[in-house]
Amino acid sequence: GAVVSQHPSRVICKSGTSVKIECRSLDFQATTMFWYRQFPKQSLMLMATSNEGSKATYEQGVEKDKFLINHASLTLSTLTVTSAHPEDSSFYICSARDINYGYTFGSGTRLTVV
Amino acid sequence: AQKITQTQPGMFVQEKEAVTLDCTYDTSDQSYGLFWYKQPSSGEMIFLIYQGSYDEQNATEGRYSLNFQKARKSANLVISASQLGDSAMYFCAMRGTLNAGGTSYGKLTFGQGTILTVHP
Repeated sequence: GAVVSQHPSRVICKSGTSVKIECRSLDFQATTMFWYRQFPKQSLMLMATSNEGSKATYEQGVEKDKFLINHASLTLSTLTVTSAHPEDSSFYICSARDINYGYTFGSGTRLTVV
Repeated sequence: AQKITQTQPGMFVQEKEAVTLDCTYDTSDQSYGLFWYKQPSSGEMIFLIYQGSYDEQNATEGRYSLNFQKARKSANLVISASQLGDSAMYFCAMRGTLNAGGTSYGKLTFGQGTILTVHP
């Protein structure tokens, strides 16, 4: 079946630094990638949608300059949290959409900013 | 705009019994899709079952079945013969269609989730 590999699974960074999270579709071409954020025991909140080769579409209230999304190829999308602060600590998860496989989720990244 | 509502923050069930997790939705789209996912404490999202808005039969996948009542806009998940490993958070989600700009094709909107605990 379709697999999306997400790295890193856990990351701790210092306040003010940037962190990059990668999602790779291993055996299919992900034309669209969705990025979600989830706080403990809460729902997944869509942050942005990225389409290969075009600018990401951000949901209302999500800072574009803080959460940089790049979808440069059909198999790789990245989310960079710039100048991270403790309030950015959360669980981030990507999901790739492909017309053949539906939705496939990465395993998620737990970000802790200290 | 689409909305998914799960009104049960937590549910408890005895092992080997059946349990129903509620989900209601609201959309103005004629064509839509409804999903259920399981999220264990590890955080991964596990796909359970899918129901298309035009599907006349209720979807079934092993011990999972979806009670789809279109007129009532409900898509409840039924888990039969519960197992200890079923303890997790469960999310109902709806697939959107093309928006006006065409750049958010098929994004999923999630409900609040239900934490299911299976007792031995």
